[in-house]
Amino acid sequence: AQSVTQPDIHITVSEGASLELRCNYSYGATPYLFWYVQSPGQGLQLLLKYFSGDTLVQGIKGFEAEFKRSQSSFNLRKPSVHWSDAAEYFCAARSGGYQKVTFGTGTKLQVIP
Amino acid sequence: NAGVTQTPKFQVLKTGQSMTLQCAQDMNHEYMSWYRQDPGMGLRLIHYSVGAGITDQGEVPNGYNVSRSTTEDFPLRLLSAAPSQTSVYFCASSYLGQQNTEAFFGQGTRLTVV
Repeated sequence: AQSVTQPDIHITVSEGASLELRCNYSYGATPYLFWYVQSPGQGLQLLLKYFSGDTLVQGIKGFEAEFKRSQSSFNLRKPSVHWSDAAEYFCAARSGGYQKVTFGTGTKLQVIP
Repeated sequence: NAGVTQTPKFQVLKTGQSMTLQCAQDMNHEYMSWYRQDPGMGLRLIHYSVGAGITDQGEVPNGYNVSRSTTEDFPLRLLSAAPSQTSVYFCASSYLGQQNTEAFFGQGTRLTVV
């Protein structure tokens, strides 16, 4: 079955520190991959997406993600976290020929001063 | 453009009551879907539609009905609310048949069933 795994439920980082959120997928073929962010009480906002080509993808708010086929991973990174980055982050995937999106269970990011 | 609009934002229901969550999009997207979000479970697909008059079940369809009479609207109906349906509901839309596209989400409806 197709699945997306985010192994970290909660992560706490200090403001200014670097961040990496993990995401692994299990699909028959390489899916299209997404990272969304959800601020408290808000909907989901797309941070970045990967369809093909360059495996390092740049997104909004200074985020980037790297697709690694050999590890079935699509980890999200940010070099220096800001307090406003505190939110819940969702990795998602869909097969190329379909629109149904499978979400991971989310990682809640806490940023401490 | 308003994007994807969900109403209401908050709702409290008594067990057994019925209600309809509204979802409208103004992007002419063919594909629309409903998710529920529960702590520790991410977003789970309830129902989806690939166009007017066409709907199908997702991962957790029980207790919910949908219809798609127009491209713009995709309401979600709870016929007899149960406490297990307490959740945050998100509607999403996207183009169909275009590979490099993502889903756009509404702001969510927080539903409490007591």
